[in-house]
Amino acid sequence: SQELEQSPQSLIVQEGKNLTINCTSSKTLYGLYWYKQKYGEGLIFLMMLQKGGEEKSHEKITAKLDEKKQQSSLHITASQPSHAGIYLCGADNQAGTALIFGKGTTLSVSS
Amino acid sequence: DAMVIQNPRYQVTQFGKPVTLSCSQTLNHNVMYWYQQKSSQAPKLLFHYYDKDFNNEADTPDNFQSRRPNTSFCFLDIRSPGLGDTAMYLCATSRVVGQGAFFGQGTRLTVV
Repeated sequence: SQELEQSPQSLIVQEGKNLTINCTSSKTLYGLYWYKQKYGEGLIFLMMLQKGGEEKSHEKITAKLDEKKQQSSLHITASQPSHAGIYLCGADNQAGTALIFGKGTTLSVSS
Repeated sequence: DAMVIQNPRYQVTQFGKPVTLSCSQTLNHNVMYWYQQKSSQAPKLLFHYYDKDFNNEADTPDNFQSRRPNTSFCFLDIRSPGLGDTAMYLCATSRVVGQGAFFGQGTRLTVV
């Protein structure tokens, strides 16, 4: 079965610093999604990437998809305390029935 | 406005006492999903509905059941909760199967 591995598992950065979170799939990626979750809450949709080489940005968050490497990266520029939370990558499962998820990367931003 | 609403947000239930979690959506999406997320783990799909067609994941315990009386509502029934069922339960919807889903706020269930 397909697995998604995220790195790092957790990250503490100083406010204003840039950071990158990676998501690597054990199988071919047909669609990659990034979500943010605050502790004890639901998932908030951030971005969806579907084509190799695709790059999307929303405010200070940029996500890229490298199909050949079966990998996606999420980059945050000039981090702020509001960026703190758990970032999860999700991908369509092979059956095409739902999303599977990585375990998440916990981001803390110190001011 | 919230588009996927889960009730209650927090639920404490006794070991073995049946419990029902509810989810409603205003998006008119065909697909509704239930995920279980244990502490520090990835959300795990339990089952999903495409309209009224129910699709169970192979490893979902029989203890977990679901009902979808209409497009807007979906329920998760846990017939005899065990301590290991303590988790966050997430409901999600999507227009078509497998596409990016919208999630509710989740119900944090504690079995004591």
